[in-house]
Amino acid sequence: DTGVSQNPRHKITKRGQNVTFRCDPISEHNRLYWYRQTLGQGPEFLTYFQNEAQLEKSRLLSDRFSAERPKGSFSTLEIQRTEQGDSAMYLCASSPRLGGTAGRSEQFFGPGTRLTVL
Amino acid sequence: EDQVTQSPEALRLQEGESSSLNCSYTVSGLRGLFWYRQDPGKGPEFLFTLYSAGEEKEKERLKATLTKKESFLHITAPKPEDSATYLCAVQRRGGNQFYFGTGTSLTVIP
Repeated sequence: DTGVSQNPRHKITKRGQNVTFRCDPISEHNRLYWYRQTLGQGPEFLTYFQNEAQLEKSRLLSDRFSAERPKGSFSTLEIQRTEQGDSAMYLCASSPRLGGTAGRSEQFFGPGTRLTVL
Repeated sequence: EDQVTQSPEALRLQEGESSSLNCSYTVSGLRGLFWYRQDPGKGPEFLFTLYSAGEEKEKERLKATLTKKESFLHITAPKPEDSATYLCAVQRRGGNQFYFGTGTSLTVIP
């Protein structure tokens, strides 16, 4: 197992374009999280999946953002009509479900996708 | 509202000079408090989870402790390779979100 992977690692786009990022979690991890991180800040929660179900979304998440996790494996995060304010590092994390201690599990992060919107 | 505050924002230490990083939190029912290390341009790397007041965990030169209001990350005799940003996060009982602080940027000078 090589850990959480994210693609692409870097993305430069023009304002108004749509972008899609992919996250491959650690195999058999049923929980998957997306975060956004800007310079000098900690990761900001965007959304959470348990298996294929999207169970929670940040109230701050714009309608331009959508995420999917078909079949409970990899996940995609799409940003429509990108704005310069969307420029950030987008992080994906996964965690296992521990038997008998639901929710008591650490997150393992991927390397992130750095988005630059011109 | 759940909140995490880390201090100091930045810390410069001489190699071998021990110190502590602080993470103060406000959460309605703590499920867990997490420490991460983040190197520039990389994703956070998991260090510790603490679940209840009084709990302590150690790994090499790092030791994390937890009270009902704050957590400390103690660094003993740091080396230059310990230079990184250290992030603290909390998860509320019954919730799925993790709330992160803004981190402490640690620089260890040889």
